[in-house]
Amino acid sequence: DSGVTQTPKHLITATGQRVTLRCSPRSGDLSVYWYQQSLDQGLQFLIQYYNGEERAKGNILERFSAQQFPDLHSELNLSSLELGDSALYFCASSVGESPYEQYFGPGTRLTVT
Amino acid sequence: AQTVTQSQPEMSVQEAETVTLSCTYDTSESDYYLFWYKQPPSRQMILVIRQEAYKQQNATENRFSVNFQKAAKSFSLKISDSQLGDAAMYFCAYRAGGADGLTFGKGTHLIIQP
Repeated sequence: DSGVTQTPKHLITATGQRVTLRCSPRSGDLSVYWYQQSLDQGLQFLIQYYNGEERAKGNILERFSAQQFPDLHSELNLSSLELGDSALYFCASSVGESPYEQYFGPGTRLTVT
Repeated sequence: AQTVTQSQPEMSVQEAETVTLSCTYDTSESDYYLFWYKQPPSRQMILVIRQEAYKQQNATENRFSVNFQKAAKSFSLKISDSQLGDAAMYFCAYRAGGADGLTFGKGTHLIIQP
């Protein structure tokens, strides 16, 4: 158990819908990262937040957005869902911004039908 | 852009033997970090080992060690005394020194033969 929690574990929804994935980092960690793992694209970095502020962006689509709240939990919002958005979405956390080890949550499996 | 290449989609090794997983990367940065992550069938991503580019000494964690060749941009993982629990996908990952996420390779599926 990494100490990072993600909810829900599984999510099934239809094309065109909007979903929200939630992540709580390890106690004391200020940085949160979101990753997408799919068969086509492999593991891809989406976005990073540090203490409530966006710090780095990866291959995140415009239909996707994220935020980190004052209590440090983070949410990833996915809208206008397409079949290709079906993937495992991971949240990871680390102590700071520097390349400390990132600890991954168990992931949320999103299926778009 | 940085790229990470794992040229072995699948490797197989006998239990108790030693296996080496390959990884090469491409970067123009001088300050960066390299990682190996393990993903068992549970899909949980588990950090195996980390290497700072500025350190010449190769990192070691129990049965896991790396061979870091900075000039060749190579970062291989050696697993000694392989155990059944080592069976998993192994991902090599790179991160630059500033704020950024990890860049992953496509992974190597490691099979342990009993």
